[in-house]
Amino acid sequence: KNQVEQSPQSLIILEGKNCTLQCNYTVSPFSNLRWYKQDTGRGPVSLTIMTFSENTKSNGRYTATLDADTKQSSLHITASQLSDSASYICVVSEDRGSTLGRLYFGRGTQLTVWP
Amino acid sequence: EAQVTQNPRYLITVTGKKLTVTCSQNMNHEYMSWYRQDPGLGLRQIYYSMNVEVTDKGDVPEGYKVSRKEKRNFPLILESPSPNQTSLYFCASSLSNFLRGQGSYEQYFGPGTRLTVT
Repeated sequence: KNQVEQSPQSLIILEGKNCTLQCNYTVSPFSNLRWYKQDTGRGPVSLTIMTFSENTKSNGRYTATLDADTKQSSLHITASQLSDSASYICVVSEDRGSTLGRLYFGRGTQLTVWP
Repeated sequence: EAQVTQNPRYLITVTGKKLTVTCSQNMNHEYMSWYRQDPGLGLRQIYYSMNVEVTDKGDVPEGYKVSRKEKRNFPLILESPSPNQTSLYFCASSLSNFLRGQGSYEQYFGPGTRLTVT
């Protein structure tokens, strides 16, 4: 069964600290993996998209890594800010050739940054 | 401005009264999708459409219908809403076609529709 598991479920860190969020998946065949940031009550906003051939991708203070062999991804946040408080969602896309197909969502990691 | 719009944003209705939530995008995207989000369960895909007249089921299609008669619109229909369909609903769109292994396209989400069925 295709699944996406994220850990931890929630995380509290102090402003300025770094943190790493984890994502494990069993989706096959695999097309790409995305990390989203979602503020409460709002639609998710994309942070990174990676295919199987990409090991790492950065977007400002966000760096995502992907190990397609072990089916694991991580999202590293550097020098956290209060505005980083949000839910971070890992999404894996099923390979449908050259067409976007079904998406599998993790339940998210709720990050809280304290001053 | 490129955007995905949903209407209504908030809706309170009663069990069994048919309703439609509209979704429209102005980016000429082929791919559109509906999700529901419930506390502790995260986002779950209801239906998606890869292009006009092409739709497919996601994780939780029961109790929902969709149609894709034109590229820009992808309405979500609840023929007989029930209280367990109380949720926050998101529509999203993206370009669909890309070279395998060459990356993928960004998915843009609408602002959400909060539905309560009593």
